[in-house]
Amino acid sequence: DTGVSQNPRHKITKRGQNVTFRCDPISEHNRLYWYRQTLGQGPEFLTYFQNEAQLEKSRLLSDRFSAERPKGSFSTLEIQRTEQGDSAMYLCASRPPGLAGGIFYEQYFGPGTRLTVT
Amino acid sequence: DAKTTQPPSMDCAEGRAANLPCNHSTISGNEYVYWYRQIHSQGPQYIIHGLKNNETNEMASLIITEDRKSSTLILPHATLRDTAVYYCIVRVPGNAGNMLTFGGGTRLMVKP
Repeated sequence: DTGVSQNPRHKITKRGQNVTFRCDPISEHNRLYWYRQTLGQGPEFLTYFQNEAQLEKSRLLSDRFSAERPKGSFSTLEIQRTEQGDSAMYLCASRPPGLAGGIFYEQYFGPGTRLTVT
Repeated sequence: DAKTTQPPSMDCAEGRAANLPCNHSTISGNEYVYWYRQIHSQGPQYIIHGLKNNETNEMASLIITEDRKSSTLILPHATLRDTAVYYCIVRVPGNAGNMLTFGGGTRLMVKP
């Protein structure tokens, strides 16, 4: 399967612990996105990378959250000192490089990592 | 990005056409209409997009009104596997990194 993969698929942690999620995008997709989805809501944008550069961060991304994409391939999302409000599905998506003129390319989403903070 | 309004839920009989509406009365001239869907426990999946002409692909058809203030996604022969939440998104391609702004979507239940 050459789609976007995310690990782990499920994570249960206790409040105050740190957690790290990994996303492996489709190869040659230089853009990578992280979204968060709470129960019954649509996904909300967190941050995105173009290659290894983090170009945009949402206000949702508090200072307890950090994302990296060190070699422009896989990405990690770390949450420090987790809170119960962090319980959500964390989705990763990737897309190919865009062409001049802003041609739309669809984003390919992974299956997500479901985080439960107890 | 323009705001969209979708009904929270709809039912459809298996084998019948599913018509999912979306209102986007504040859409601007360079904004496209995109549709994604999310099957339970999966990430969203792109379906189709359009600017002003009707579009069709192997998954669905998109009908955009002449004034572009609303659109309808049509699944011509709905199957049980089409049960999902459908999101209508209006945005300018290439704007602000192309991140997607999802609303609440329409939960489509296809019934046997």
